[in-house]
Amino acid sequence: DVKVTQSSRYLVKRTGEKVFLECVQDMDHENMFWYRQDPGLGLRLIYFSYDVKMKEKGDIPEGYSVSREKKERFSLILESASTNQTSMYLCASRTGNYGYTFGSGTRLTVV
Amino acid sequence: KQEVTQIPAALSVPEGENLVLNCSFTDSAIYNLQWFRQDPGKGLTSLLLIQSSQREQTSGRLNASLDKSSGRSTLYIAASQPGDSATYLCAVRLPRGGANNLFFGTGTRLTVIP
Repeated sequence: DVKVTQSSRYLVKRTGEKVFLECVQDMDHENMFWYRQDPGLGLRLIYFSYDVKMKEKGDIPEGYSVSREKKERFSLILESASTNQTSMYLCASRTGNYGYTFGSGTRLTVV
Repeated sequence: KQEVTQIPAALSVPEGENLVLNCSFTDSAIYNLQWFRQDPGKGLTSLLLIQSSQREQTSGRLNASLDKSSGRSTLYIAASQPGDSATYLCAVRLPRGGANNLFFGTGTRLTVIP
């Protein structure tokens, strides 16, 4: 089975900190995604990567950046964390016409 | 824009009951449809994937059907168990490239009462 691993389940960061959320998949998928999930708003796409060093903005990229230096790893970066970025962050990967595989999520709290 | 709706938003059933969760979508030109479950505070677990050319998929006590022409999918859960309690999400993927081609439903929160 494909596994998508998010390095942290829970994170607490201070306003203004630079935050790195890491995601690793083990099945050579070319596509990787970062979503955030908020009550009442559902899942919203932040960024997408379709190959190493390639990225595309999703619906809500403001305040975020991403890095994909290796195929298996996709990092989400909060340049200067703010309280409105408190959320559940979900990483996913996909190949071809197969379905999406999600990680277990990172609950980020910015204080 | 694709709109995906799940009804009901919440459902409580006694253990052992068979149940159906509904997912409807507005654009029938889909690539595939995927059902997920999400436990509180956790990520999404894939349950079933139905390609646009398929009518149904089965896994254990779960059966998902797809009717593209009417824009509907159902997830049938047989002999429900308390461990089935979770939020169930359907997601529709459109046949175009790029990032923004996956649309999630609003979710159904299922509670199975022992």
